Amino acid sequence: KAGVTQTPRYLIKTRGQQVTLSCSPISGHRSVSWYQQTPGQGLQFLFEYFSETQRNKGNFPGRFSGRQFSNSRSEMNVSTLELGDSALYLCASSSRPPSYEQYFGPGTRLTVT
Amino acid sequence: GENVEQHPSTLSVQEGDSAVIKCTYSDSASNYFPWYKQELGKRPQLIIDIRSNVGEKKDQRIAVTLNKTAKHFSLHITETQPEDSAVYFCAAHLPGFQKLVFGTGTRLLVSP
Repeated sequence: KAGVTQTPRYLIKTRGQQVTLSCSPISGHRSVSWYQQTPGQGLQFLFEYFSETQRNKGNFPGRFSGRQFSNSRSEMNVSTLELGDSALYLCASSSRPPSYEQYFGPGTRLTVT
Repeated sequence: GENVEQHPSTLSVQEGDSAVIKCTYSDSASNYFPWYKQELGKRPQLIIDIRSNVGEKKDQRIAVTLNKTAKHFSLHITETQPEDSAVYFCAAHLPGFQKLVFGTGTRLLVSP
């Protein structure tokens, strides 16, 4: 099976802009979670989608949003970018619950200047 | 709220030594505890996991132990090799949520 893929892999944006990141889960996996990874804060949970529904959300401002499509692909959007949004954004997929194993994509490295 | 503490933040060992990384979780409802290995510039890779109904699990040179009473779990790597050098993350899963709460990571350096 192909692994989790994310596009784009690298992105440079300017403060105030918005950005959309994409994640394609492992075939057959219906749950997609998003995490922000920074050197100072580690891996922080953003949100999780299952069957196009957001089931859980982390402590991030409303500028961070996401969605999931019927084919389980997911996107996350960050509006009004701030310098502090510079991070590696990782998505992870897992199969139908109660399987808890999450498999990560390579991430999108976002740099905000 | 849920919290996972991980120690040490860095660990240096000689090739062939054993390495132990410890994590403590706060929510007693946590029921699944994975460990991820992240090499520089790569994605986190699931290397071993344990569920709350098991006390220990082994896979070749790595093992994980869980003490539910004390709410802590540990990763043990024996006969370390230079290719074990990476950042290791522990995590705890809350039932009812597809959400992992991660520790802050341990940078393991294995010197030849």
